Amino acid sequence: DSGVTQTPKHLITATGQRVTLRCSPRSGDLSVYWYQQSLDQGLQFLIQYYNGEERAKGNILERFSAQQFPDLHSELNLSSLELGDSALYFCASSGTGGAAIGETQYFGPGTRLLVL
Amino acid sequence: AQTVTQSQPEMSVQEAETVTLSCTYDTSESDYYLFWYKQPPSRQMILVIRQEAYKQQNATENRFSVNFQKAAKSFSLKISDSQLGDAAMYFCAYRIRSQGNLIFGKGTKLSVKP
Repeated sequence: DSGVTQTPKHLITATGQRVTLRCSPRSGDLSVYWYQQSLDQGLQFLIQYYNGEERAKGNILERFSAQQFPDLHSELNLSSLELGDSALYFCASSGTGGAAIGETQYFGPGTRLLVL
Repeated sequence: AQTVTQSQPEMSVQEAETVTLSCTYDTSESDYYLFWYKQPPSRQMILVIRQEAYKQQNATENRFSVNFQKAAKSFSLKISDSQLGDAAMYFCAYRIRSQGNLIFGKGTKLSVKP
């Protein structure tokens, strides 16, 4: 158990819909990362938040957005869903957000999204 | 472009034997960190081992060790005394010091035969 929790574990929805994925980081971790794992694209970084503010963006679509709340949990919002958005979405957390030497990211169990 | 290449999509090893998974990466940065993550059928991403690029000594964690060749930009993982529980996807990843996000390879699927 990494200490990172994600809900829900599974999500089935239809094209055009909007969903919200939730992540709670390890106790004390300030930084949250979102990654998408799909068969064709592999594991890709989407976005990073540090202590409530966006720190870095990766290959995140405009239809996707995220935020980190004062209690440090984070939500990833996916809208106008397409079939190709079906994937495993991981949240990871770390202490300071990459500035510390040797910082390790701990991954949650993931949310499996299926768009029909 | 920063990339990670794992040239072996699948590997197989006999239980109790040793196997080496290959990884090469491309970066112009000099200060970075390298990682191997394991993803078993449960899909959980588990850190196996990490290496700081400024350290010449290869990292070791029990049965897992790496061969880090900085000049060649190579970072292979050696698993000794392979166990059935080692069967999983293995991902090589790195991040540069000034950034927090990990860049992953496509993964190597390791099977362990009893």
